[in-house]
Amino acid sequence: SQKIEQNSEALNIQEGKTATLTCNYTNYSPAYLQWYRQDPGRGPVFLLLIRENEKEKRKERLKVTFDTTLKQSLFHITASQPADSATYLCALQKAGNMLTFGGGTRLMVKP
Amino acid sequence: DTAVSQTPKYLVTQMGNDKSIKCEQNLGHDTMYWYKQDSKKFLKIMFSYNNKELIINETVPNRFSPKSPDKAHLNLHINSLELGDSAVYFCASSQESLSSGNTIYFGEGSWLTVV
Repeated sequence: SQKIEQNSEALNIQEGKTATLTCNYTNYSPAYLQWYRQDPGRGPVFLLLIRENEKEKRKERLKVTFDTTLKQSLFHITASQPADSATYLCALQKAGNMLTFGGGTRLMVKP
Repeated sequence: DTAVSQTPKYLVTQMGNDKSIKCEQNLGHDTMYWYKQDSKKFLKIMFSYNNKELIINETVPNRFSPKSPDKAHLNLHINSLELGDSAVYFCASSQESLSSGNTIYFGEGSWLTVV
């Protein structure tokens, strides 16, 4: 069955470092992969979308990579700040189908 | 201005009761959704409506009945509430349905606790 895996353990890093979150998937051939941010008590907010024919996408301090051979996406936040602390969800989509979300990874950036 | 708004934000009710959650979006989107987020934080699609028509109904009990009076509103009615229905319910919308790379705008969530 299709599976999307994100590290369920929280990632703790020091302010200023680069945070790297992983999204792995199996039995899936997504055309699109998206990353969302969710703060406690709030709804998810869209951050970035990357297509299967794109290797990398950047937006300000954010960078997403998409490796369809490894079936993996990496989400990087450079020069991390305490305000980046949140849960980050990856979501996959086949063309013409619904988004399927992973369970998210909680990021804690310590000052 | 709130893009996707849902009410109530918190709802505590007894087993067996019937309750509704209302949702409205002012983004002009054609498609609306209901998602359920359980205690393990997994977001699962429940329903999807496109221009007031149901297009996705995942394996959700018949006790859950969505209603879309117009494309800006999608309400969720739940009959005979059970303990397992306790979760956070998110309303969401997107510009198009089942299209390539559509991004989803979520409401703030409704915390349902069944006691």
